Amino acid sequence: QSVLTQPPSLSGAPGQRVTISCTGSSSNIGAGYDVHWYQQLPGRAPKLLIFGNNNRPSDVPDRFSGSKSGTSASLAIAGLQAEDEADYYCQSYDSTLRDSRVFGGGTKVTVL
Amino acid sequence: EVYLVESGGGLVQPGGSLRLSCAASGFSFSDHYMDWVRQAPGKGLEWVGRTRNKVNIHSTQYAASVNGRFTISRDDSRNVLYLQMHSLKPDDTAVYYCARESECTVANCYRDLDYWGQGILVTVSS
Repeated sequence: QSVLTQPPSLSGAPGQRVTISCTGSSSNIGAGYDVHWYQQLPGRAPKLLIFGNNNRPSDVPDRFSGSKSGTSASLAIAGLQAEDEADYYCQSYDSTLRDSRVFGGGTKVTVL
Repeated sequence: EVYLVESGGGLVQPGGSLRLSCAASGFSFSDHYMDWVRQAPGKGLEWVGRTRNKVNIHSTQYAASVNGRFTISRDDSRNVLYLQMHSLKPDDTAVYYCARESECTVANCYRDLDYWGQGILVTVSS
């Protein structure tokens, strides 16, 4: 059972917009901790996608965007492409776990 | 270019020990906090622990699931990160990744994991 809750799977047609939710609580996201997002392509190591809630590394397309509100965060993928088919993980920190890093359970995005 | 290369994985019996290494290059290793993250087969990511930089006396922090059994250390002179694992259990079977934490700036301190190694498989089985 992950501290951060994500939908196990989502799907969308090419060109569509999909949004992945990451639901936490008052001891993690709601406590003001930053949220980061990672993309894991099949058989590959995770890669940083969004840091500090809504910032993109320079090599990440602007189709990817992040937001945070209250005890939740979201990752949006606009103009879905075949190469976006991957697992996506949110990550924050939790005060009840001595500020340990915590991950969501991951969301598998399928491009139809 | 930043590179992180793990080694030392393999098959170990329950109750056994194993030490993983992560060779770092392409950045100032001594300045960065470094983490270990693992992923059991077909499962999600699980944070294992971290070691802070020299300024923070290389202090460490661990997930509850490994605290007391795993030890993270580093050799800044050789740019190598270690994960010493004892009393291994079948549930410790996973791909283990080393990852670099981003540095704080004057404006922000995000501590995201901005670079990851390719991972190394550890299998605990009799």
